Amino acid sequence: AQSVTQLDSQVPVFEEAPVELRCNYSSSVSVYLFWYVQYPNQGLQLLLKYLSGSTLVESINGFEAEFNKSQTSFHLRKPSVHISDTAEYFCAVSARSAGNKLTFGGGTRVLVKP
Amino acid sequence: DSGVTQTPKHLITATGQRVTLRCSPRSGDLSVYWYQQSLDQGLQFLIQYYNGEERAKGNILERFSAQQFPDLHSELNLSSLELGDSALYFCASSVSTGGSTEAFFGQGTRLTVV
Repeated sequence: AQSVTQLDSQVPVFEEAPVELRCNYSSSVSVYLFWYVQYPNQGLQLLLKYLSGSTLVESINGFEAEFNKSQTSFHLRKPSVHISDTAEYFCAVSARSAGNKLTFGGGTRVLVKP
Repeated sequence: DSGVTQTPKHLITATGQRVTLRCSPRSGDLSVYWYQQSLDQGLQFLIQYYNGEERAKGNILERFSAQQFPDLHSELNLSSLELGDSALYFCASSVSTGGSTEAFFGQGTRLTVV
């Protein structure tokens, strides 16, 4: 079984400041790692994913996440946030060998202030 | 627009009643997943179907059931509803069941049990 812990439930941040959302996971098997974003009143959208290879993955809108196997972490960062980044962010894992049902963390609500 | 369609968007019903939530996956996607998002439980995997057959089961109550039809749309049936069943129910679809396959989420059905 897998579990995901997002250490911060809410992160207020000023516009153009950097942000880091922390995610740690636990699993007895190898996993794939994902970050999803949920804008108000919308469904979840995939932000980025780690499957294999380079441990640093980037999204098209400036987010990046780094897979750290020894610390079982997959923290999400953005060097400069915009008002439009206000949303809830979910870290998720799926077991490599058992289909792709996702186990989600509790979510981190990011509020970008002007 | 993810291409996954869920109906209805909102549903208000009384305790003890039964409701059916409907999901049309993206064109070409064979796998359908149901997730429940509630304030106290977060995002939880309920059940997965692949090409009409149940593939994986999560924390789905016995009062809940689902099926996937030959045209690949899926329905989630919730019966003997309780106040605690109030939540946002998401459907997601993917082309296959591989762990690295991206799942696309619908906008959800918000169920309110009164």
